[in-house]
Amino acid sequence: AQRVTQPEKLLSVFKGAPVELKCNYSYSGSPELFWYVQYSRQRLQLLLRHISRESIKGFTADLNKGETSFHLKKPFAQEEDSAMYYCALSPLMIKAAGNKLTFGGGTRVLVKP
Amino acid sequence: DAGVTQSPTHLIKTRGQQVTLRCSPKSGHDTVSWYQQALGQGPQFIFQYYEEEERQRGNFPDRFSGHQFPNYSSELNVNALLLGDSALYLCASSLKLADGELFFGEGSRLTVL
Repeated sequence: AQRVTQPEKLLSVFKGAPVELKCNYSYSGSPELFWYVQYSRQRLQLLLRHISRESIKGFTADLNKGETSFHLKKPFAQEEDSAMYYCALSPLMIKAAGNKLTFGGGTRVLVKP
Repeated sequence: DAGVTQSPTHLIKTRGQQVTLRCSPKSGHDTVSWYQQALGQGPQFIFQYYEEEERQRGNFPDRFSGHQFPNYSSELNVNALLLGDSALYLCASSLKLADGELFFGEGSRLTVL
């Protein structure tokens, strides 16, 4: 069974401060991990995925298989980063498994001026 | 490109009724997935359609059924509605079956009274 846990429901930080959103997962196979974001009045969209190893909007996330974590980090938060963030897991590149994503409960980030 | 479109955006039903939600995928996408998002929770996978067949199914009862048409659009049907079916129903499309990058619609908000 796949499970994704985001322990923080709400993170409140000041502009310019670092922000880290925690994500822990459980899965017996090799997972692909994602971060999805939903800004106010917008639809849910992909922020980044671990296989791309990209930094998107200043955010990075490293897959730690030993700790089964995929935390999202940004060194200097901006007000436009205020949004709902969801960590998600999918079986890695198993065509038959399709793209069934298991989402965490989400973390709301509020960046104060 | 309008992206993923869903209809209706809001609807109210009473217990025991049936509902049909509709989704048109992003242009060029052939895979459609449906998710249920209860208030304050992350999206939960219902099922996925590819080549007009249900390819994967989440932990939802048979009251939840779907269909995909030759033009890749999809319907979600829920029979014998329960109060607990009240939620936001999200449709997502992807370019290929195994791709975890999903493009979401804005959702259909169902209220069951």
